[in-house]
Amino acid sequence: GQQVMQIPQYQHVQEGEDFTTYCNSSTTLSNIQWYKQRPGGHPVFLIQLVKSGEVKKQKRLTFQFGEAKKNSSLHITATQTTDVGTYFCAGGTGGGNKLTFGTGTQLKVEL
Amino acid sequence: NAGVTQTPKFQVLKTGQSMTLQCAQDMNHEYMSWYRQDPGMGLRLIHYSVGAGITDQGEVPNGYNVSRSTTEDFPLRLLSAAPSQTSVYFCASSKQGKGSPLHFGNGTRLTVT
Repeated sequence: GQQVMQIPQYQHVQEGEDFTTYCNSSTTLSNIQWYKQRPGGHPVFLIQLVKSGEVKKQKRLTFQFGEAKKNSSLHITATQTTDVGTYFCAGGTGGGNKLTFGTGTQLKVEL
Repeated sequence: NAGVTQTPKFQVLKTGQSMTLQCAQDMNHEYMSWYRQDPGMGLRLIHYSVGAGITDQGEVPNGYNVSRSTTEDFPLRLLSAAPSQTSVYFCASSKQGKGSPLHFGNGTRLTVT
């Protein structure tokens, strides 16, 4: 079945450093979504990408969808303590709602 | 709007016991799903439903049953709990259609001893 892997599994950064998480799917995706889960919380939707090579920005967050629609990345510029949490990508195939989540990257930001 | 409501928040079961995790949404979402979250494994899909009366299996359905008698409710039943089912369970819903974002409940932390 479809598998979605994320690297790294954990990342510790100093506040102000940049952070990137990478997402790789074993199959071609129709869309990819990104979620953030704060410690003790539930995943919250951040953004969706649907086009090959698409790039979207949300303030300090930049999301990319690969040309082959099998990989994606999330880059955070100048991390802040509010960025702490686990970031998940989730890939969809076909026209339905079903999503396969990646393994997640846990980000810790130290002052 | 309450969004997606899950009960209970915490539950401890003994091996072999059965129980139902409740999930209700008030957003008139057609699509509902159950995920389990385990360290290092992300969120894995257990079962999902695209509308009342329609359910289907996800990637880890064994040991779980679901039904969808109404649009609002999507309960998850553990038939005979096992320690391997110790996990955090999330219910999520969305509008029908590709790319609709999932709205998650606050989760149920289940421990099976």
